[in-house]
Amino acid sequence: AQSVTQLGSHVSVSEGALVLLRCNYSSSVPPYLFWYVQYPNQGLQLLLKYTTGATLVKGINGFEAEFKKSETSFHLTKPSAHMSDAAEYFCAVSPFNNAGNMLTFGGGTRLMVKP
Amino acid sequence: GAGVSQSPRYKVAKRGQDVALRCDPISGHVSLFWYQQALGQGPEFLTYFQNEAQLDKSGLPSDRFFAERPEGSVSTLKIQRTQQEDSAVYLCASSLKGGSRTVSGANVLTFGAGSRLTVL
Repeated sequence: AQSVTQLGSHVSVSEGALVLLRCNYSSSVPPYLFWYVQYPNQGLQLLLKYTTGATLVKGINGFEAEFKKSETSFHLTKPSAHMSDAAEYFCAVSPFNNAGNMLTFGGGTRLMVKP
Repeated sequence: GAGVSQSPRYKVAKRGQDVALRCDPISGHVSLFWYQQALGQGPEFLTYFQNEAQLDKSGLPSDRFFAERPEGSVSTLKIQRTQQEDSAVYLCASSLKGGSRTVSGANVLTFGAGSRLTVL
């Protein structure tokens, strides 16, 4: 069984400031980890994913995330927030041996960017 | 089409009515998933198809929920005798491959924009 916890349902940053969205997971087997972004009235769009190999993963729109096995974390960061980053962000986990790619999502974090 | 298409985008139903939500996955995608996203929450798994076979329906909340994919492409999620707690966005996603993971890693899911169901 696996679960995902996103700390902070709402995060507010100023434009140009660092973005940090937290994600912790639990999984009984090695996981694959994902971050998705959801803009209003749109579907989920993949930002980045960790499968194997390098633990620092770079994604689209300047986002990156680091897999830390010892901390069971996969926090999402961006050095400088842009107004267009305002959206809902979801962390998700899929077991390594899952035959079907089923994702378990966290509750989401709404990112607000102030001018 | 280029993406996953869902219809209708918005559906208002009176309590007790039956509804049907359609998903057109990306052409050639083997796997198809349905998720339910309640207001302010993350998506929750409902059911999974590999081609026409429904391999996992453990997330369907009750026997009022039924999904099918008879020809291995388009899928329909049907909800009978809708209740207010069924109000949510229903997301469909598809991926190219099914079965065990490839050595190269996870198969990425592409999501549709969702069907927002409101039950009055």
